[in-house]
This record gives sequence, C-alpha cells and structure tokens, in this order.
Amino acid sequence: EIVLTQSPGTLSLSPGERATLSCRASQSVSSSYLAWYQQKPGQAPRLLIYGASSRATGIPDRFSGSGSGTDFTLTISRLEPEDFAVYYCQQYGSSVTFGPGTKVDIK
Amino acid sequence: QVQLVQSGAEVKKPGASVKVSCKASGYTFTSYDINWVRQATGQGLEWMGWMNPNSGNTGYAQKFQGRVTMTRNTSISTAYMELSSLRSEDTAVYYCAREIPGGSWFDPWGQGTLVTVSS
Repeated sequence: EIVLTQSPGTLSLSPGERATLSCRASQSVSSSYLAWYQQKPGQAPRLLIYGASSRATGIPDRFSGSGSGTDFTLTISRLEPEDFAVYYCQQYGSSVTFGPGTKVDIK
Repeated sequence: QVQLVQSGAEVKKPGASVKVSCKASGYTFTSYDINWVRQATGQGLEWMGWMNPNSGNTGYAQKFQGRVTMTRNTSISTAYMELSSLRSEDTAVYYCAREIPGGSWFDPWGQGTLVTVSS
C-alpha cells in the first residue's frame, strides 16, 4: 500500500499570503492518479485538483497543483478567507489512500 | 446537477449492522463506480472500497474484508454500504463518492452519514 505523508501538519498564514502544501508518497505515483481535496468543518471533501495539476470544475485559478513521482505540491497563490480549511491528497495505485491532511488556519 | 444524497444518521449497538444508502441523480448511475470513505471525528479520510453499479462488482480495502458489503439498486439509482459486527471504533461519518474513470478521483461526494456505535 502506498503511504502518503503531508507537510506541514498545520500552516498558519494570513489572508493574501501564499500557501505551499506538500504531499510525499512512499512509492512512485502516476500523476494521473493524484488528487487534492479541500474539506471545511461539517462538510464533505471537495475535489480541487486531479491528475496532479488539473483544476476541477469551478475551482479558482489561485489553486494550482504540480509534481510527479513521489513529490507533489498544492499551491494557493493568495489566500482568501474561504480557503482556510483542511487539504488532503489522495492517490490510486493498487488501492486508494489519503494523506493525513494539512490544516491551513488563520494566523 | 450531479448529486449524491445519503440516508440519515444512525445509532447502533456494538455487534449490530448498519446499512447506509446513497442516491444518485443528475447522471447515468451505471456509468460511474461508487466508492465509500469514512472519517472518524477529528481524523482523516479512510477508503473502504468501491462498487461498479453496472456489473455489481466490488473491491474492498483489506481492513474491511469480511465485514463490509456494497450493493446497488439500479432501478432507483441507489448504492448501499452495509457494515457488520460494529464496534465503537466504527463511529464515524461515512461518505459515498462518485469515481471519475481514468484517474480514480472522487467527485462529487455525498453529504455524509454519521454512524454512532454505542452501548
């Protein structure tokens, strides 16, 4: 099973700042099978990025994904108030696994 | 619009079973796999398995093999997840999600169903 590690665990930033979230895999992951989700309290996760770098429908262009192999990054160029949430990466290899999440909170 | 609507919260005793439903609308139900993911309070996301609504084929995470059953009723575009031999550690919110073929990402998700296991 591929294990995903996300860092940092918590990221404390101010609105307008840039957020850089990391997702590292224990084995190489096909870029086609790497996704990012946003989850706010009391809500279901929402797809942000699929195929490592493609934005899902309706996702603002301040969200971008990059990476390949074992290292992937989600970048939020300028944080808006509604972006403070928990972010999860997910991969599909022989089975589906999620990272433990990065919480982006207000500094 | 594409939507998954899940059944309401459940309270079960240890050793019992629970069956959660997930009704799809806005797309052809048999064209996309349905996956189930759970989340204990304050914890991360845990994948449980998938089901192909067309064939009924399933695949379960090893952790849940023997305890989980995923089924469907195509006439009402509804998927089901049944978990048996419940224990307190199964207390969680259970989500269904539509799997996008070609990449196995999930969009959209149901609103979640809280299952509480307590004596």
